[in-house]
Amino acid sequence: DAKTTQPTSMDCAEGRAANLPCNHSTISGNEYVYWYRQIHSQGPQYIIHGLKNNETNEMASLIITEDRKSSTLILPHATLRDTAVYYCIVGNTGNQFYFGTGTSLTVIP
Amino acid sequence: NAGVMQNPRHLVRRRGQEARLRCSPMKGHSHVYWYRQLPEEGLKFMVYLQKENIIDESGMPKERFSAEFPKEGPSILRIQQVVRGDSAAYFCASSPKAAANSGNTIYFGEGSWLTVV
Repeated sequence: DAKTTQPTSMDCAEGRAANLPCNHSTISGNEYVYWYRQIHSQGPQYIIHGLKNNETNEMASLIITEDRKSSTLILPHATLRDTAVYYCIVGNTGNQFYFGTGTSLTVIP
Repeated sequence: NAGVMQNPRHLVRRRGQEARLRCSPMKGHSHVYWYRQLPEEGLKFMVYLQKENIIDESGMPKERFSAEFPKEGPSILRIQQVVRGDSAAYFCASSPKAAANSGNTIYFGEGSWLTVV
């Protein structure tokens, strides 16, 4: 069952920041928020994850609201190669990472 | 540090044949997960294995599908008597520790594309 809600699709101009939202209103206290992306015909690629605090790595930043009911993945300077489906995953119920339908991000030249 | 290796990348089988997909986890990883992605759909969990043990196979079809992760060698996903509906991308992932509610990350391979004709 889906535990996250994401927009179906988004566009972003090349060079601009891409902000991908995710709602996870039923998140429990010990559940992490993960982000993966899948470029067409490739395996899912791990981007970032966090529990409570905002996180940043070489790929992206993850902003988690104080109540933890939503988060935003930020790609600071989107490139054409960032065009992909982005999955927000909450927790890992049992041993499963549940991949919903994700957000299809198109970076426009 | 090599990533998760899957082979073959592409496999064509006739209906009724067997398909064997192999997955070598990242070095130091003893936990393996298999996912399936049907055309134009999302990834669906199939099975989770730790060395020589099946931990969770709740996503595996009841018949024709089996998985193993022997003490030595890669993990194998085996599909017997394939049908056209088995045509999909099969992804393997691995992690160094159990991923459940621990903040651990799983890393995916590039997938094996099975086509049943």
